[in-house]
Amino acid sequence: DQQVKQNSPSLSVQEGRISILNCDYTNSMFDYFLWYKKYPAEGPTFLISISSIKDKNEDGRFTVFLNKSAKHLSLHIVPSQPGDSAVYFCAASANRGSTLGRLYFGRGTQLTVWP
Amino acid sequence: ETGVTQSPTHLIKTRGQQVTLRCSSQSGHNTVSWYQQALGQGPQFIFQYYREEENGRGNFPPRFSGLQFPNYSSELNVNALELDDSALYLCASGRTGRNTIYFGEGSWLTVV
Repeated sequence: DQQVKQNSPSLSVQEGRISILNCDYTNSMFDYFLWYKKYPAEGPTFLISISSIKDKNEDGRFTVFLNKSAKHLSLHIVPSQPGDSAVYFCAASANRGSTLGRLYFGRGTQLTVWP
Repeated sequence: ETGVTQSPTHLIKTRGQQVTLRCSSQSGHNTVSWYQQALGQGPQFIFQYYREEENGRGNFPPRFSGLQFPNYSSELNVNALELDDSALYLCASGRTGRNTIYFGEGSWLTVV
């Protein structure tokens, strides 16, 4: 049973524009969410995270929004750059504290940023 | 650069054989988790170790086992390999009190 869903397998955006990657979850016990980026032949790289007590977290060009009532989060990348082209994974955890336990991942969205 | 290194990067095994994958974490990272990523899927949690003891397990059979050592290294062992075990195996380490884990580059296992 997929508790974290990324329903768009791919997204194509022009350089300089905004990229919006979406993620839905079903488990109301999830209280911590992360986004990872993955290039081919590399492991996932941590991008940004958000706790369920917040609805927004920003780090440079990356902003994550959380809508708990809709069980939905999104990652905004502004402006998009060709180097952002990668697979983006949404992950969630029922943290129950400050130490990260099991992560539940979506299937990923392939972002392509074209010049 | 995450400070998490895995070996080997690629290997091919025959069905029924056993395999050991290794991971070296950053100094001070006292938790280590292993994930399996099949093609077209997100990583799936296998188990987590904390202070050298298993601290949570996903939906994987007992032929998947692990070890964590005091020197921040760990192993994933898989016995009686099956064709469906072909995947990328990812090690991730972290520190208690921190809300981030860092992944290595993974070990690609092909079972033929």
